Amino acid sequence: AQSVSQHNHHVILSEAASLELGCNYSYGGTVNLFWYVQYPGQHLQLLLKYFSGDPLVKGIKGFEAEFIKSKFSFNLRKPSVQWSDTAEYFCAVNAQGYSTLTFGKGTMLLVSP
Amino acid sequence: DARVTQTPRHKVTEMGQEVTMRCQPILGHNTVFWYRQTMMQGLELLAYFRNRAPLDDSGMPKDRFSAEMPDATLATLKIQPSEPRDSAVYFCASGLVLGREGTGNEQFFGPGTRLTVL
Repeated sequence: AQSVSQHNHHVILSEAASLELGCNYSYGGTVNLFWYVQYPGQHLQLLLKYFSGDPLVKGIKGFEAEFIKSKFSFNLRKPSVQWSDTAEYFCAVNAQGYSTLTFGKGTMLLVSP
Repeated sequence: DARVTQTPRHKVTEMGQEVTMRCQPILGHNTVFWYRQTMMQGLELLAYFRNRAPLDDSGMPKDRFSAEMPDATLATLKIQPSEPRDSAVYFCASGLVLGREGTGNEQFFGPGTRLTVL
């Protein structure tokens, strides 16, 4: 079975700082990868996804993520965060042949103005 | 703008009472998922359906939880009897899963039902 590890449970940044959230998965086969964001009191929304092709994917709100197959990683980045990026971020993996997503525990990002 | 809807948004009940949560998936989606989110456990998959048929409910406590899809526009999650440890946010998500192997696609989440069992 696949698993997802998000290294940081909490991250605190000042506005305009750069962001990188780590995500590693364990599965030896083909995967689809996702980052979801959950703003306070809201539901999960898709930030970006990787299925195939260019390993650097761009999502909404200036976020991007890079799939490095050799490292089983799919880290999320943003060059300059804003206060409105305060939210919880979830990495998820879907392994080929499975209908379900396996989610990481989430990383809570707090951006101070 | 197609969305997953869930009712009720908030539910406060007493231990032992029955709780029913409802979900309307996005029209055309063939797969519906039920998740539970808590601070301690994070996001847990409880059950999911494909074309209204239950595929996996191994994440659910079988003695008190049940999930059904009476029709393509309605999924229900029922807890009977409810217990304080069931307090959580319950999310429904839907997606369009294609292919013989059923490899998943992105999932669209509803707003959740925040359940408090006293």
